[in-house]
Amino acid sequence: ETGVTQSPTHLIKTRGQQVTLRCSSQSGHNTVSWYQQALGQGPQFIFQYYREEENGRGNFPPRFSGLQFPNYSSELNVNALELDDSALYLCASSLAGAATEAFFGQGTRLTVV
Amino acid sequence: AQSVAQPEDQVNVAEGNPLTVKCTYSVSGNPYLFWYVQYPNRGLQFLLKYITGDNLVKGSYGFEAEFNKSQTSFHLKKPSALVSDSALYFCAVRDMKDTGKLIFGQGTTLQVKP
Repeated sequence: ETGVTQSPTHLIKTRGQQVTLRCSSQSGHNTVSWYQQALGQGPQFIFQYYREEENGRGNFPPRFSGLQFPNYSSELNVNALELDDSALYLCASSLAGAATEAFFGQGTRLTVV
Repeated sequence: AQSVAQPEDQVNVAEGNPLTVKCTYSVSGNPYLFWYVQYPNRGLQFLLKYITGDNLVKGSYGFEAEFNKSQTSFHLKKPSALVSDSALYFCAVRDMKDTGKLIFGQGTTLQVKP
């Protein structure tokens, strides 16, 4: 186990609703990233937080937003859900730096109906 | 732009035989390369990484990967496959020009048959 935990594991929402996904980082890790993995695809980078500041963002609209807390846990919020938002959302924690590997949680499976 | 390609959607191997899962990359600057494995309904599990040094990198569960700069490849290998190795494998490169985010390939399904 990686020590990265995500909640909930599964979620069903209706189009137009809002959702909050949570991630608890591995102890000592100060960087958290979120990825979206659509069915049959590789994970796509959503954004990254380092010491509570967003320091990078992928090609996702502003309705995808996040937070990182002083204990380095994190939230991903998605507003105005669309059917295409249905995916596995993965949280990854790491130490800052190019050489460090990211450790992933088990993911949250979001289904938008 | 940085990118990763995994040319095979699926690799089939008999148990006990060697396996190779292919990955090629395109980056500017030094490549930081990773392999992850994903079991059904699970997150990604780190296997190994190449940062610098020896071209043959050893990782978890008997896996290794060979870095080849001239061919811009980072193929995952194992001398003797196990049925339990059957899973989805992702190659990734860290994009140091953009936050250090990981860029993943599309994934390769490894099927090891008894």
